[in-house]
Amino acid sequence: GQQLNQSPQSMFIQEGEDVSMNCTSSSIFNTWLWYKQDPGEGPVLLIALYKAGELTSNGRLTAQFGITRKDSFLNISASIPSDVGIYFCAGTGGGNKLTFGTGTQLKVEL
Amino acid sequence: GAVVSQHPSWVICKSGTSVKIECRSLDFQATTMFWYRQFPKQSLMLMATSNEGSKATYEQGVEKDKFLINHASLTLSTLTVTSAHPEDSSFYICSASPGSQETQYFGPGTRLLVL
Repeated sequence: GQQLNQSPQSMFIQEGEDVSMNCTSSSIFNTWLWYKQDPGEGPVLLIALYKAGELTSNGRLTAQFGITRKDSFLNISASIPSDVGIYFCAGTGGGNKLTFGTGTQLKVEL
Repeated sequence: GAVVSQHPSWVICKSGTSVKIECRSLDFQATTMFWYRQFPKQSLMLMATSNEGSKATYEQGVEKDKFLINHASLTLSTLTVTSAHPEDSSFYICSASPGSQETQYFGPGTRLLVL
């Protein structure tokens, strides 16, 4: 089946720093989605990407759908304490079932 | 927009009882809803896909008689954990897709603890 490798697994950064995380797939994806999950809550959609090469921003967040359709990255600029949480990439490869990445845990040091 | 609710947010039950979890799309109609299970420090695992007016499609290894899914309307899907056992304790999360979009919006999750 489809697999999503997400890296890094965890990050511990200083407030104000920029953050970058990425996902790679063993097969082509048609849609890439990035979610953030806080403890004890459901994932919240951050950015949705529907076309290869697409670069989309949402405030301090920027995500890109890789040209090969097998990868995507998420950047967070000027991190703040509330950025703490687990970030998941997810994608669909045809059909509507999402495959989730393993998650990147972000910790921000004041 | 695209708000999904779940009820209850947490439940504690005795072993052998059944528990029903509701998932509602509040401001859109969802032809398809999904049920996930998440263990601590792990990613989300899809359990089943629920289509309005038809039987749910279960992922491999998920017992359909154990996890009953009903999607009676375009805004409501329910998951019933039947004869719950301690190993069923987990965080259950639903999601919904508006129309033909592949984007899924998630509910806040339901924490189930079976004693």
